[in-house]
Amino acid sequence: QSALTQPASVSGSPGQSITISCTGTSSDVGGYNYVSWYQQNPGKAPKLIIYNVSNRPSGVSNRFSASKSGNTASLTISGLRAEDEADYYCSSYTSSNTLLFGGGTKLTVL
Amino acid sequence: VQLVESGGGLVQSGGSLRLSCAASGFTLSKYDMSWVRQAPGKGPEWVSGINSGGATFYADSVKGRFTISRDDSKNTLYLEMNSLSAGDTATYYCGRDFIALSSVDHWGQGTLVTVSS
Repeated sequence: QSALTQPASVSGSPGQSITISCTGTSSDVGGYNYVSWYQQNPGKAPKLIIYNVSNRPSGVSNRFSASKSGNTASLTISGLRAEDEADYYCSSYTSSNTLLFGGGTKLTVL
Repeated sequence: VQLVESGGGLVQSGGSLRLSCAASGFTLSKYDMSWVRQAPGKGPEWVSGINSGGATFYADSVKGRFTISRDDSKNTLYLEMNSLSAGDTATYYCGRDFIALSSVDHWGQGTLVTVSS
């Protein structure tokens, strides 16, 4: 099964907002409200920042928000900060009872 | 909550390896768990999962070669890997699922598996 499709890179200036898309199919993103987003810094394990499409785990900044429309999910980071520079990955439950990750998006804070 | 992986290393193509993930701070058998790998410079790839009831799930890429299991008495998760190939080279993380087969909220530090040809 192919990875979910994400843009390879996005960038923004401090204080701005950016949005990262994650496109799948009706067998994964579009079929279930089980999309998650992760932030990963170099050499570290991924950190869960969004689950069930738009929910934030305890302790995650409300500058992170997410949504889904059809087969595409989106992560928005508002009030961009230098510390947000990282790789971001989406994931989704699939109809095959598996978990599928996206290819990842590198966020650069200018 | 702490997860500590071990068992990684260098193995020849066609060889086998068993990874362990020692859990502390929670009872492993009460949670759904996953193994996720990440090849150098690539995104994460979910490999396998086991739910609290003991049901197991596998990615197509490892089905028939990898086996996930747990030892409740040792509070430890395992991943038995056979018929390894260069494509299996990656850092392997164990994780505790927040939502079964959907989101992982606690991760180990990872253990590196390198398969040489």
